[in-house]
Amino acid sequence: GQQVMQIPQYQHVQEGEDFTTYCNSSTTLSNIQWYKQRPGGHPVFLIQLVKSGEVKKQKRLTFQFGEAKKNSSLHITATQTTDVGTYFCAAVHGSGNTGKLIFGQGTTLQVKP
Amino acid sequence: NAGVTQTPKFRVLKTGQSMTLLCAQDMNHEYMYWYRQDPGMGLRLIHYSVGEGTTAKGEVPDGYNVSRLKKQNFLLGLESAAPSQTSVYFCASSYKGLVTDTQYFGPGTRLTVL
Repeated sequence: GQQVMQIPQYQHVQEGEDFTTYCNSSTTLSNIQWYKQRPGGHPVFLIQLVKSGEVKKQKRLTFQFGEAKKNSSLHITATQTTDVGTYFCAAVHGSGNTGKLIFGQGTTLQVKP
Repeated sequence: NAGVTQTPKFRVLKTGQSMTLLCAQDMNHEYMYWYRQDPGMGLRLIHYSVGEGTTAKGEVPDGYNVSRLKKQNFLLGLESAAPSQTSVYFCASSYKGLVTDTQYFGPGTRLTVL
């Protein structure tokens, strides 16, 4: 079945350093969503990418969808302690309006102050 | 609006016991989902519903049953709990389940099966 691979699984950075997580699929994706889960919390929607090569920014976060729509990345510039958490990519599974998402394994970010 | 709520927040079961997890949403969403989250495995879809009175299997449905008798509620049942079902369970909902729709998650239920 369709799988979404996310790397790295863990990342420890010093506050102020940059951070990137990557999401890869063997099949072409119709769109991709990114979620953030704070420790002990629940996933919260961040953004959705639909178009090939699309780049979206939210303050220090930059999201990119690959030209072939098989990969995506989330880059955080100058991390802060508030960025701590697990970042998930999620791809729509199958065709049509089923709404089912396949989640990557997540990248857990730790930020040392 | 409360959004998506889940009860209970925590539960400890013995092997073989049964229980029901309740999810409620007040956003008039058509689609509702049950996920389980295990360390290093992301979120995996158990069952989902595309509307009142309908349910469908997700990625890991075995050992679970669901019901959607009312649009705002989605129940997840474990008939005979097993230690492998120890996990954090999240409910989510979305407006129409369209490919562009956001999923809104509840706070989760932490279940331990001894």
